[in-house]
Amino acid sequence: DQQVKQNSPSLSVQEGRISILNCDYTNSMFDYFLWYKKYPAEGPTFLISISSIKDKNEDGRFTVFLNKSAKHLSLHIVPSQPGDSAVYFCATSQGGSEKLVFGKGTKLTVNP
Amino acid sequence: NAGVTQTPKFRVLKTGQSMTLLCAQDMNHEYMYWYRQDPGMGLRLIHYSVGEGTTAKGEVPDGYNVSRLKKQNFLLGLESAAPSQTSVYFCASRRTSGGYSYNEQFFGPGTRLTVL
Repeated sequence: DQQVKQNSPSLSVQEGRISILNCDYTNSMFDYFLWYKKYPAEGPTFLISISSIKDKNEDGRFTVFLNKSAKHLSLHIVPSQPGDSAVYFCATSQGGSEKLVFGKGTKLTVNP
Repeated sequence: NAGVTQTPKFRVLKTGQSMTLLCAQDMNHEYMYWYRQDPGMGLRLIHYSVGEGTTAKGEVPDGYNVSRLKKQNFLLGLESAAPSQTSVYFCASRRTSGGYSYNEQFFGPGTRLTVL
């Protein structure tokens, strides 16, 4: 059973608009959440993270929102740029565990 | 710093052949990981290590063995390759201290393996 779900396999947005990528999790003990970005033929790279003591974290054009009651995480990209086109994975961990649990990813395409 | 490097980048094997994938990191990280990525499946953890000389099973360990003889290296072995092991393999590492940010894993560029 999937503990971390990214229900949208793909998302297409226009350049300059907002991209919203969503992630749901099942285990309320998860307390740290990350987003990774992956370009084709490259390894994933860390993008932004948030701990469960916060509900928002912002880094430039990227903002992550955490709704603990709904067990829902979202990544907002504003404004979206063609270079943001990639696969985005959400990941989570519990209590400083050495392991991360990854979602299946959402492929974002930003059209010029 | 080279970060996390993986050798080789590509490999084609025949069923039953063996091979070893090498992962090296120069960040003095304690933890290292091997993942496989298949279409529509995301990243699945094969094995991991929490320090030199230690290994542990992940989500999909069958058919693979690992060794961590040196802190900077983590080897993934396939003793008898099967077509089901055709995948892209990623190695990752992370540190063990420094607040919550230590959860961040740094990934290598991947090894694309095809088993015929």
